[in-house]
Amino acid sequence: GENVEQHPSTLSVQEGDSAVIKCTYSDSASNYFPWYKQELGKGPQLIIDIRSNVGEKKDQRIAVTLNKTAKHFSLHITETQPEDSAVYFCAAASGSQGNLIFGKGTKLSVKP
Amino acid sequence: DGGITQSPKYLFRKEGQNVTLSCEQNLNHDAMYWYRQDPGQGLRLIYYSQIVNDFQKGDIAEGYSVSREKKESFPLTVTSAQKNPTAFYLCASSPDFPGVFGQYFGPGTRLTVL
Repeated sequence: GENVEQHPSTLSVQEGDSAVIKCTYSDSASNYFPWYKQELGKGPQLIIDIRSNVGEKKDQRIAVTLNKTAKHFSLHITETQPEDSAVYFCAAASGSQGNLIFGKGTKLSVKP
Repeated sequence: DGGITQSPKYLFRKEGQNVTLSCEQNLNHDAMYWYRQDPGQGLRLIYYSQIVNDFQKGDIAEGYSVSREKKESFPLTVTSAQKNPTAFYLCASSPDFPGVFGQYFGPGTRLTVL
């Protein structure tokens, strides 16, 4: 079945810097890759997603890139702000297998 | 407001007791899911339901049970057979299965076994 690896597990950046979180997946049939942001004590919030027919997607300060050949995808946050501090999860799903498989999360800290 | 609600927010249980966690959605979504989250871990799937009156086991179903009698509701029962039930429980829904148009999460229930 699908396996999703996420790195790094913790990331600390200065306000205004960029942050990059990377994930790899094992199932070449996976075709949907969402990213979630989870603040302390709350449920995860979908912030951006990408499908396998697209290489990059942007939404204001966040972007996701997908390399199907290498089976990895990344989340890029530019001009980070203290409110970006949270745990970020990547996930992958395929039409054949079904369910979303999540990475173990990255705790991002943005220092003012 | 449209969304997913979970109750209670905090739940305490004595060993040997069954407890039921509530999950309701008014998004008209067909599919619903229950996940368990432990510190430093990703989300692990307990049960999911693609449609009313149907549900399937996820990766860690032992010690849990669910029902899906109504489209809006997907309650989870944590039974006494669950060896280590203390965790943060998250309910989610999606317009379809497996949620390739996004899964949307509720605020969670934190269960503590005393």
